Amino acid sequence: EVQLLQSKIEVKEPGESLRISCKTSGYNFASHWIAWVRQMPGKGLEWVGIISPRDSETRYGPPFQGRVTISADTSITTVYLHWGSLKASDTGIYYCVRSGMGGYNYDYWGQGTLVTASS
Amino acid sequence: DIVMTQSPLSLLVTPGEPASISCRSTQSLNSNGYDYLDWYLQKPGQSPQVLIYLGSSRASGVPDRISGSGSGTVFTLKISRVEAEDVGVYYCLQALQTPYTFGQGTKLEIK
Repeated sequence: EVQLLQSKIEVKEPGESLRISCKTSGYNFASHWIAWVRQMPGKGLEWVGIISPRDSETRYGPPFQGRVTISADTSITTVYLHWGSLKASDTGIYYCVRSGMGGYNYDYWGQGTLVTASS
Repeated sequence: DIVMTQSPLSLLVTPGEPASISCRSTQSLNSNGYDYLDWYLQKPGQSPQVLIYLGSSRASGVPDRISGSGSGTVFTLKISRVEAEDVGVYYCLQALQTPYTFGQGTKLEIK
């Protein structure tokens, strides 16, 4: 059974660093890109970026380029999303998602991590 | 970047009646004979789930009363007979080129 497990809630102050994780299981980790998708409170879905676990190639959406870093650890089949310095505007739910083999068809979603950056 | 525009942004539908959502892109999503357009449904309080990929291919477990059509820059999601379980927000996603982009979402409610 394919699973993507995320921590539920992370609360930090603006300016702090944060790394959230997405632990995957039940399939060949290297064969599927993993994406991150943001949902700000009461808003729609935004594509943050994507990583190929096979070679760690990454791509980012323009609002997130330089703000976050996506990485993968193949030894523990886990993908990460990292902020060096959080802003209040980073608050939202972050979903990790498995991409189909062709890059389309986001077929398995994590339950989402609620990130709150507030003083 | 490719911009995705959905309409309408909200739908109020009587159970058993049909519903239709449109999604338009600012450039063609067709490549090598495939349209790189997916549809997702986010039910209240849940993570999104895929309904349709490559424009018209139904994902596993999706009932056949839900269908996707279109090509190029204009796509449609149709529900032939709306049921209570269809409530939520529907999103289109272009998967042709990064950065991938979502439509604004269409909220479907039951009368």
